[in-house]
This record gives sequence, structure tokens and C-alpha cells, in this order.
Amino acid sequence: QVQLVQSGAEVKEPGASVKVSCKASGYTLTGYFIHWVRQAPGQGLEWMGWINPLNGGTNYAQKFQGGVTMTRDTSSSAVYMELSRLTSDDTAVYYCARDGAVAGQILGHYGMDVWGQGTTVTVSS
Amino acid sequence: DIQMTQSPSSLSASVGDRVTITCRASQSIGRYLNWYQQKPGKAPKLLIFAASSLQSGVPSRFTGSASGTDFTLTISSLQPEDFASYYCEQSYSSPNTFGQGTKLEIK
Repeated sequence: QVQLVQSGAEVKEPGASVKVSCKASGYTLTGYFIHWVRQAPGQGLEWMGWINPLNGGTNYAQKFQGGVTMTRDTSSSAVYMELSRLTSDDTAVYYCARDGAVAGQILGHYGMDVWGQGTTVTVSS
Repeated sequence: DIQMTQSPSSLSASVGDRVTITCRASQSIGRYLNWYQQKPGKAPKLLIFAASSLQSGVPSRFTGSASGTDFTLTISSLQPEDFASYYCEQSYSSPNTFGQGTKLEIK
């Protein structure tokens, strides 16, 4: 079945970087954009950006520009989100989510239809 | 950035009740409005896309509607499994933004 499987929980010290993976199965990775969304403890959802796995193109929320890097490895059907210069404010669950639009359709029109299980990132000294 | 104002922030209701959750966009977003359900410790689940289109596999008791910049999610007859948090999301322009969420609790 179609699914996104993320890497396991991480504990990092302030100032470090973290790289979270998201592996797609049951469909062709390059056919759909992937979004990254995070959720701080007890808080709402925050969109970080997307990557087009077909060509590696990215669009980051301004808040995260300069601190986040989204990449892909089509040979392993995986995308990655790396966040640098971590602070305690980055403690959150990080989700990858597939955009429901296929090639030729309008990005965002179909919502985020498949989600990973989430990766907890804890930033603490 | 487009602000999404969601109300109420919490809601108590009983099984069988009809409930409505509202999101208001700070500017026109067409019908680029999606609704998600999230249960504790789980990833969000897409319920409604394009303001009123039901995602495959989602029960028909969930409906979405739009009027200008106001969007509504209605659950016609609450079931025990519907007690969760709900979020709206605008995907009209970057950055995508979410409402603050509505926690639906059992009365």
C-alpha cells in the first residue's frame, strides 16, 4: 500500500543539526511533491516547505530559509529534511506528507493525502 | 502570509450531535482549503480537500463548504471515533498555513 515511513526519534544538543528521512513505498516517489510539517509539543501544525522529488526543486517557508535543506535520493525512493543550528524551539514531531496532486495537476488543490508516522526531534543539552 | 482563524478552539459534544467548525482566511484563497483530523500521537489525516471534496475512504458524515473567505467543516452525526483535533489548511499561496486547531471532546 502507499505509505511514507520516517526515520526514528532523535535527541540533539543545541547548535547541532538533524537529518530526518522519509521513504516512499507503493507509488513512484517522483510523481508527487513532498511537504514537511512540524508540530511542537501541545501545539498546532506548521508548514516548513516542499520538495519536488522529480528535479529536486524546493520551496521553503521564509522562517526556515537558511536553516533547512530538503533533498531526495530517487534511487532509494527517499526524501530528507535537514535542520541546522537547532534550538529548544525546534523540539517537535516532524512529518513528511505527500501532496495529492499528480503531474499536470495544481499543487495544493488535493491536500496532503499520505503522511509519514512522524519523527520526534528533541533538542536538549 | 495568509492567516487562518479557526473557531472554536475547543468543543464538547455528544455522540449523535451535529457539529460545525469554521475557518476564516485573511484574504481570498479560492477553494484551496483542506481539512485534517488528528488523533493523539498520530499523524494528521486528510478529510476534505478543495473546500468540499471528500477524500476517498472518509465517511460521508463529514462535509465541507465555502462562502467567500469563510469555510466550514460539518460532522452530521458524531461517532465515538470522531473525537479528535481538527485543522484547516490553506494551500492557495506559500507558505501554506494552518488554523490553530479545534479539539473536539466528548461531553
